[in-house]
Amino acid sequence: QVQLVESGGGVVQPGGSLRLSCAASGFTFSSYGMHWVRQAPGKGLEWVAFIRYDGSNKYYADSVKGRFTISRDNSKNTLYLQMNSLRVEDTAVYYCAKYMRTTGTSGFDYWGQGTLVTVSS
Amino acid sequence: AIQLTQSPSSLSASVGDRVTITCRASQGISSALAWYQQKPGKAPKLLIYDASSLESGVPSRFSGSGSGTDFTLTISSLQPEDSATYYCQQFKSYPLTFGGGTKVEIK
Repeated sequence: QVQLVESGGGVVQPGGSLRLSCAASGFTFSSYGMHWVRQAPGKGLEWVAFIRYDGSNKYYADSVKGRFTISRDNSKNTLYLQMNSLRVEDTAVYYCAKYMRTTGTSGFDYWGQGTLVTVSS
Repeated sequence: AIQLTQSPSSLSASVGDRVTITCRASQGISSALAWYQQKPGKAPKLLIYDASSLESGVPSRFSGSGSGTDFTLTISSLQPEDSATYYCQQFKSYPLTFGGGTKVEIK
């Protein structure tokens, strides 16, 4: 069965860095585009970043552009999110999610359980 | 960026009621819309994709309709387990965006 398991969350000071990981299993990871989506406490969902199945194309939300970097290692079935210059407003649960289709865009059919990032002094 | 406006932001209905949630896009997105259900402390769950296609395993009381800029999610007969927050999402163009959410409570 498909599983997405995030890790790497924690407490970090403003201006600090953190790297999130998402370990994928149960599907052909190298065939699917992957995303990071976040949710601040008590707030709605915010899309953060996308990476194409082969890593050749990436998109970011304006709120994280230039500070966050999405990457993947298809040999390890793992998705990453490198977060630099963290701000208090980056505090959120971060989810990884997969596109339901291998081509084009689509909804997200599987999500991880989320990992909490808290940016606080 | 394409903005999605959901309404209402919250509603309270009785078991068995028909519930409708709307999602309006700031520009045409064809049928590139998905609906998700999220319960407290849990990840979102895909209900509807391509505006009207029911995800496998989702009860048939859920349905989606619309294209272009106006979309609806309908729960034909509300059940206690449907208490949750519902989000629409457009995947027509990047940045992908979500609606603000609709919290559904059971009376």
